[in-house]
Amino acid sequence: LAKTTQPISMDSYEGQEVNITCSHNNIATNDYITWYQQFPSQGPRFIIQGYKTKVTNEVASLFIPADRKSSTLSLPRVSLSDTAVYYCLVGDMAGGFKTIFGAGTRLFVKA
Amino acid sequence: GAVVSQHPSRVICKSGTSVKIECRSLDFQATTMFWYRQFPKQSLMLMATSNEGSKATYEQGVEKDKFLINHASLTLSTLTVTSAHPEDSSFYICSARRQGAGNEQFFGPGTRLTVL
Repeated sequence: LAKTTQPISMDSYEGQEVNITCSHNNIATNDYITWYQQFPSQGPRFIIQGYKTKVTNEVASLFIPADRKSSTLSLPRVSLSDTAVYYCLVGDMAGGFKTIFGAGTRLFVKA
Repeated sequence: GAVVSQHPSRVICKSGTSVKIECRSLDFQATTMFWYRQFPKQSLMLMATSNEGSKATYEQGVEKDKFLINHASLTLSTLTVTSAHPEDSSFYICSARRQGAGNEQFFGPGTRLTVL
């Protein structure tokens, strides 16, 4: 399982764009990159998943460079309700990988 | 979207008693479910992988006789904390993997266990 490294915490202000970068230097060919969001006392919630280049959905964008050794979750115009812990996970979806969580990034959005 | 429920959402019990937590996939079949434990201010720690109709696979350091897992159907997995002690107090989260493209994984809302 590819190990991931993220910043422990980040601060931002409402309306700003937030970019959280995750390092996964030993990512394997079949691995996908998935990001989850977790609020206190709740289960993680899927945000976005990608394999390469750029993926965008209604809540976020995921940028993956050609070497795939890192990825960046981009949250446009954050609000106070985006204050949460964000986890980056890497694994082989087709192989039914075990989801191992790293430490995550604690994002705090201020007014 | 796919929904995973957990019951109960919170439970308080006395030391020495056993507690059962249910995890259900409400609108899809899940051949694989996972159980996690999360202590305050920490990340989720995978405890075990539960496959329908077979024995669960436990992560290193997790006592299989203390944390009994049963995955009797494609929509239900249960975690029983036997002879619970205060140090077992934690937030327990399950997830279910939906078969198909991407093998998406959906998480339950969690169960807060407090052992007195």
